[in-house]
Amino acid sequence: KAGVTQTPRYLIKTRGQQVTLSCSPISGHRSVSWYQQTPGQGLQFLFEYFSETQRNKGNFPGRFSGRQFSNSRSEMNVSTLELGDSALYLCASSQGQGATGELFFGEGSRLTVL
Amino acid sequence: KQEVTQIPAALSVPEGENLVLNCSFTDSAIYNLQWFRQDPGKGLTSLLLIQSSQREQTSGRLNASLDKSSGRSTLYIAASQPGDSATYLCAVRDPFQGGSEKLVFGKGTKLTVNP
Repeated sequence: KAGVTQTPRYLIKTRGQQVTLSCSPISGHRSVSWYQQTPGQGLQFLFEYFSETQRNKGNFPGRFSGRQFSNSRSEMNVSTLELGDSALYLCASSQGQGATGELFFGEGSRLTVL
Repeated sequence: KQEVTQIPAALSVPEGENLVLNCSFTDSAIYNLQWFRQDPGKGLTSLLLIQSSQREQTSGRLNASLDKSSGRSTLYIAASQPGDSATYLCAVRDPFQGGSEKLVFGKGTKLTVNP
């Protein structure tokens, strides 16, 4: 069974540009959540989707947005990139809507903003 | 606001040693606690998941315990090997607006096992 797949794995952008990251969850998983990992702040929750609906959003500016498609695949978008957006962006999937399920993470998309 | 702390931040041990990693959290109203491993430049690998009603979980050489009332969890690694070298992260499932998938992470313990 394939794991969580994130693309692209690495990308370099310049300030002011925008970026779209993609996440394909484990087959059968309907919940997808996104996290940002930086050396200073560690792992921080961005948002969570279930059945194409955003259920929760972390404390990030409106430049960060996302969506989920009917096949459970998810994308996140960051507009007007800033240097501080350089980070590893991790996607996680779980099977259902309940809070007791195990989360499985992808390898991440490493974004560098110059 | 839930806060998760992991002590120590880094640990270096000789091969074969048994070791314990610590995790503490401030709000005991959690759904569960999950331990992860992260290799440099990689994603997170789930090691063990302990539900709030459970006291411990075991997988191979790993044993995780949970004391929800005191806000503590430990990850015990038996007979450590160089391949265990990685950063170990503890995360609690926080009741963020109910039924959420949100995890609150600690900063991790970087483990080095020397041959």
